[in-house]
Amino acid sequence: DGGITQSPKYLFRKEGQNVTLSCEQNLNHDAMYWYRQDPGQGLRLIYYSQIVNDFQKGDIAEGYSVSREKKESFPLTVTSAQKNPTAFYLCASTGGLFQPQHFGDGTRLSIL
Amino acid sequence: QKEVEQNSGPLSVPEGAIASLNCTYSDRGSQSFFWYRQYSGKSPELIMSIYSNGDKEDGRFTAQLNKASQYVSLLIRDSQPSDSATYLCAVNDAAAGNKLTFGGGTRVLVKP
Repeated sequence: DGGITQSPKYLFRKEGQNVTLSCEQNLNHDAMYWYRQDPGQGLRLIYYSQIVNDFQKGDIAEGYSVSREKKESFPLTVTSAQKNPTAFYLCASTGGLFQPQHFGDGTRLSIL
Repeated sequence: QKEVEQNSGPLSVPEGAIASLNCTYSDRGSQSFFWYRQYSGKSPELIMSIYSNGDKEDGRFTAQLNKASQYVSLLIRDSQPSDSATYLCAVNDAAAGNKLTFGGGTRVLVKP
């Protein structure tokens, strides 16, 4: 089945550690997105990529980094510079201009 | 900064009644509008897309769009306990076609 796969489902970060969240899609979508959701809040855009080897900062990019080396993959690294990383992280993709975004199941990140 | 505003709720409705959710947005050039449903601890799922002024119906859901007033709404008819969730309004960024801005969500509680 086509879809977006995020892993792991739960992740724990130690102080000073970088962690990487995986997002893979087999929908042949060009555009991919990373969002952060804090409890009781809406989604805030971290980074997005419209095409392979290109990406742009969203509204809250500080402390995060991404890469887009393959169309199917858009990993997000939460660096040690992100002092408050505890949140629900959602990856999404879309297949064309003005089309809706579809989401993976999310990764819940906590601090140890 | 583009803004999308929703009443956070909770919106409490009796089973079988109509739930009415509202969303206003600041980007006058926006062209695509989406409603997502998000159950607690889960990722958002698309329930409605609307692009033109007027009403769009899909089963028990009706989306209404008024671009002149920069207003989009969602009606849920014959509300069921399974409709209890947070509903997110999302609006595209006119300057970056597929980029979405999300509202904070409206929590709906359907009481049997």
